Formats: sequence, structure tokens, C-alpha cells
Amino acid sequence: QVQLVESGGGVVQPGRSLRLSCAASGFTFHRFDMHWVRQAPGKGLEWVAFMSFDGSNEKYADYVKGRFSISRDNSKNTLYLQMGSLTTEDTAVFYCARDRLAKRGNWHFDLWGRGTLVAVSS
Amino acid sequence: EIVLTQSPDTLSLSPGERATLSCRASQSVSSSYLAWYQHKSGQAPRLLIYDASSRATGIPDRFSGSGSGTDFTLTISSLEAEDFAVFYCQQYGSSPITFGQGTRLEIK
Repeated sequence: QVQLVESGGGVVQPGRSLRLSCAASGFTFHRFDMHWVRQAPGKGLEWVAFMSFDGSNEKYADYVKGRFSISRDNSKNTLYLQMGSLTTEDTAVFYCARDRLAKRGNWHFDLWGRGTLVAVSS
Repeated sequence: EIVLTQSPDTLSLSPGERATLSCRASQSVSSSYLAWYQHKSGQAPRLLIYDASSRATGIPDRFSGSGSGTDFTLTISSLEAEDFAVFYCQQYGSSPITFGQGTRLEIK
């Protein structure tokens, strides 16, 4: 079954760190660029980070630069998001998403997970 | 960055009716690189349309997209019960990619 399953969310205090994971199955993970997208409560979707299919290129939204780090382990079919210096404004459901075409840098997404909730609260 | 403004915020219609959702960009979207997604609460978002007018794999032909430049439209020709959800547009012609704030399509 072609799917993405996020995990690692939870309640975390401001200033602390958290690592999210996204397990891919049913497709050739190492051929696809991957992204993280988030949705704060009552808000719309917001792009967070990108990693190329081979891990050689990464990009971040300005509001997470220097705080978040995206990585992947193609041998484990897993994407990660290491989040640091968290603030209450980072409270959101975080989704991982797959580029529509392999190795093409499409920057639009044909496969998403159901998301994992990160709640930053003291 | 390109700001996408969707209208209306909420659209109340009945099954069988036609839905027209708008997405306006603050500047021209390069190469009509615009996508539409459907999102139901607790579920994964679903790609409907890419490149402004191409239907994604498996999407019924009652969904269609049109537009270019700064004005784009998603049309659902005859609403079915499972279509009611929140819809987002997204531009990927300029960095950073951005999403609209969403239109909620609810049953009247």
C-alpha cells in the first residue's frame, strides 16, 4: 500500500527539541523529493522544508531556518524533521508529502500522510 | 513571496449543484504552476489539479481547473456528498511555494 505515516509528535515545552519521522511504503522512496508541510490550529497549510531524493539538497522556509533540519535515510525509507528552539507558534499538525514525479523537483504533492500533532506549551 | 487569496472563505451548496472556487495571486504565477488540494479533517490532503488545469491520477472529471496569470478557478460540476471539505490552492512557480488560506465547502 502506497502511504506515508508520520510519528514523533507530542507536547513539548518552549525552547525544547523534537524529532519527527515519516515512514514511506509501497513506492520507491529514494527516487522522490520529499517535503514537510504544517497546519497550525485554525490556519491553512504552510510549507516547512524540502529534501531532494538523494539527500544532496535541502531548503527551508525562512521562519524555521537555523532551527529545523530535514534529513532522510533511504535505506530505511524514512524522512525526518529535527526541530529545535520550539515556540508556541510552531504548534501545528506536521505532514510529510511526496513530490508528484520522481527526481523532477515538481514542488507539488501527490501523496501526503495524515500528519502528527506538535503542541508547544509550558 | 506570492500571496494567494481564496474566495469565498465558505461556500454553502447542495449535492448536485455546481461549485466555483477562486484563487487570486498577488503576482503572476509562473508557467501556471498552480495546484488544488482537497482536505478533510483528520485525513491526508488530496491533490486534485496541477499545472492549473491537469487532473491528478484518479480524480473524477467533475473536478476541473482553469486560469492563468493571477486568477485561477476550481470548478466542481455537480457536487457529490464526498466532495464537501476544505480546498486549498498552492503556487509552485516561485520560491517559497505558498498556499491559499482555504475555502470551506459545506453542505447547505
